[in-house]
Amino acid sequence: AQSVAQPEDQVNVAEGNPLTVKCTYSVSGNPYLFWYVQYPNRGLQFLLKYITGDNLVKGSYGFEAEFNKSQTSFHLKKPSALVSDSALYFCAVIPLDSNYQLIWGAGTKLIIKP
Amino acid sequence: DGGITQSPKYLFRKEGQNVTLSCEQNLNHDAMYWYRQDPGQGLRLIYYSQIVNDFQKGDIAEGYSVSREKKESFPLTVTSAQKNPTAFYLCASTRDPLGTYNEQFFGPGTRLTVL
Repeated sequence: AQSVAQPEDQVNVAEGNPLTVKCTYSVSGNPYLFWYVQYPNRGLQFLLKYITGDNLVKGSYGFEAEFNKSQTSFHLKKPSALVSDSALYFCAVIPLDSNYQLIWGAGTKLIIKP
Repeated sequence: DGGITQSPKYLFRKEGQNVTLSCEQNLNHDAMYWYRQDPGQGLRLIYYSQIVNDFQKGDIAEGYSVSREKKESFPLTVTSAQKNPTAFYLCASTRDPLGTYNEQFFGPGTRLTVL
């Protein structure tokens, strides 16, 4: 079965330190990859996506993600964390040989401590 | 401002009741989606619609129904057949009907609680 894994339920980072939120996927073919963020009791907001081209993708609020085809990963990164980055982060994948519906990871809660 | 609105923000349902969640978008998007979010789980797709007057079941459609009579509206009815409806419901839309490489835009959500 096709799936997306976010291996960490929660990530704790001190403000000003770099952060990484991990995502790996298991799908057939070359997928499209997305990251979304959700603040408490709100809908999701799009952060960035990888479709093709450069493996390093830059997105909103200073976030970036690196696509690694051999490791089937798409980790989200930010060089210097802010307290306001604290939220729930979702990785999602569209396998191109399916019905084009997103497969979602379970989410990672990111906590940035002052 | 363009966007997606969902109403109500909070909804309480008694056992055996049907309730309808509203979703409206003024983004002129073709595709619309309904997701269910439970704690510790990713989003699960209930129904989606790629064009007016057409919709498809997602992974967890049992106990739910939808309609798409207008491009901007995609209401979700939670029927009494849905045995565990307490959850956070999210509506989304995207520009292209297949919803492939374009990101989805989300509404603020409706939190449904069964009393």
